[in-house]
This record gives sequence, structure tokens and C-alpha cells, in this order.
Amino acid sequence: DQQVKQNSPSLSVQEGRISILNCDYTNSMFDYFLWYKKYPAEGPTFLISISSIKDKNEDGRFTVFLNKSAKHLSLHIVPSQPGDSAVYFCAATRLGGATNKLIFGTGTLLAVQP
Amino acid sequence: DVKVTQSSRYLVKRTGEKVFLECVQDMDHENMFWYRQDPGLGLRLIYFSYDVKMKEKGDIPEGYSVSREKKERFSLILESASTNQTSMYLCASNRRDIPNYGYTFGSGTRLTVV
Repeated sequence: DQQVKQNSPSLSVQEGRISILNCDYTNSMFDYFLWYKKYPAEGPTFLISISSIKDKNEDGRFTVFLNKSAKHLSLHIVPSQPGDSAVYFCAATRLGGATNKLIFGTGTLLAVQP
Repeated sequence: DVKVTQSSRYLVKRTGEKVFLECVQDMDHENMFWYRQDPGLGLRLIYFSYDVKMKEKGDIPEGYSVSREKKERFSLILESASTNQTSMYLCASNRRDIPNYGYTFGSGTRLTVV
């Protein structure tokens, strides 16, 4: 039972254009969402997060949008750069528990073409 | 610079061997986690620990056990390695008292069971 889903296994974008990565979740108890970026042979690194009390959060070229009614979030990267090529995982959690256990999606491989 | 260190980057083990994967963090984090990453399946939680000597099963604990004798160290044990345990193993940690604090991951251990 996949509680967090990334339906696009891969995405190819031209340098300078917008990359949009999508994520859907099924558990309405999730109230905090994160995006991680992973290069081959490295561990994932935190990119950006959003609380369920917001619908948008920006950090430089990265913006995350949350649509609670649709249980959908998206990560926008503008402009996309070749160094953004990586696997992107969305993750969700319910805050306030003992561990803040994250549930991850299956990942989307982003390729930014020069 | 805060760190989660996994003892081996690459391991090759034989079927039936007992395998130990070690993870050490220097951030005084209460929570530690073991995930495995497989293509098309994303990051799946094996076990986690919220305190010394405490452990809880994640989504795929079968064939694994863990040990947390000290706060900074969390070990994953494959009791009798099998080929379907060939995977990338990722350790992570986080603080319990900061609700929106995401994980810090190690660089991963690529385990091949032959």
C-alpha cells in the first residue's frame, strides 16, 4: 500500500525551462511534506519542505505547492540547470509523533539537457 | 559539519552469510532509521529506533534485525543474506524535539549478495 506516490519515474527538461515534479498521497493525517534530492552513490539531501498550513513555499529556484483537497504536491524548479539532474523523492509525515517517521515516494529521475 | 557515516560504501557477501551494516551519527540525534532503495520502489523503511535499546519495525523488516547499544550507533543485521537483499542501504537520523526537522542521510552502502 503506497501512501506516497510519484507516478512519473522520469522527466526530461531543457536547461533554462521549468521542471515540475508531482507527488500524490493518500493519508489525510500527513501534515508535513518534504522533497529530497539524490545523486548516484550518495545519500539523499534535503531540498525544501512545506507544512499543511501553507499552500506554497519558495527557496530560490525551488517552489513547492500543496493542494490538500487533492492530496497533491508539486516541486517546481525554475530555471532548470544541468546540475539539477538527480532523483527526486517526495516524503510525508505526521508531526508530533515520537519519531517523525518519513514515508517516501518511489522517486522521479530528472534529466536536464544542456 | 554534521554527519551520518556508514562504514562501507560497497559490500559483496555470499548467500547465507551474516552481514552487519554500521551507521554512526555525530549530531546527538535521538532517532535513527534504516531504509533500502530499489529501482521503482523508492525508499522503504526497514527498522527505526527512537532511543538507545529501543527499536520498531518499519514496512519491510523480514530478514533483518537491528541493534542500538549507544545513541550514536545503529546497526542493521542481515541474519542470513539472500540475493533479494541486494540493494542500496541508507541510514538516516533526526532530532525528536524539532518537529519539522527532516532527516540527515548517510552516503549509503551498496550491498550485493551473490
